[in-house]
Amino acid sequence: DVKVTQSSRYLVKRTGEKVFLECVQDMDHENMFWYRQDPGLGLRLIYFSYDVKMKEKGDIPEGYSVSREKKERFSLILESASTNQTSMYLCASSLDRVETQYFGPGTRLLVL
Amino acid sequence: AQSVTQLGSHVSVSEGALVLLRCNYSSSVPPYLFWYVQYPNQGLQLLLKYTSAATLVKGINGFEAEFKKSETSFHLTKPSAHMSDAAEYFCAVSFTGANSKLTFGKGITLSVRP
Repeated sequence: DVKVTQSSRYLVKRTGEKVFLECVQDMDHENMFWYRQDPGLGLRLIYFSYDVKMKEKGDIPEGYSVSREKKERFSLILESASTNQTSMYLCASSLDRVETQYFGPGTRLLVL
Repeated sequence: AQSVTQLGSHVSVSEGALVLLRCNYSSSVPPYLFWYVQYPNQGLQLLLKYTSAATLVKGINGFEAEFKKSETSFHLTKPSAHMSDAAEYFCAVSFTGANSKLTFGKGITLSVRP
């Protein structure tokens, strides 16, 4: 079974703080993704990576950056958290870019 | 550009009743289509997917979906709803190609009444 884990289920941060969200997958998948999920908006792609040290912007990359130093780990970074980044963040991985994505449990981030 | 439309945000059915969740897509090339389910406080998990084989796709937990190219639809059905089916359901589309990515619909919440 594919397992995708995220470092925290819940996080509370202050405006302006630097925030790191970590994601690890154990199936040697090439592709990893970060989404944010907001009520009524569905899932929106922030960034994805198709190989180590490679990254591509998704639909809403502003205010975020990512890091993929190892194949199994994909980090999302909020350089200076703002209240409009309060959301549920979901990480996913897949073997192929168009194939089934496997999701982690999500991190619910509250920025005060 | 590809897109997915899930009409409505909430569907309520009685336990034992038919479940029908609608999904329409637009894609200029043959699509891959997916239904994912999200239970409360969990990530998404795959229910079923269509990848150009049989047009009627069977998934987990008794769900199935039919790909209808003429209607650009991929509606999800289950003959008899169970209380445990209460969740949020997302339809998604992708396609083969260098710039492909998975595009999700806005999701629809299914409630099941006793």
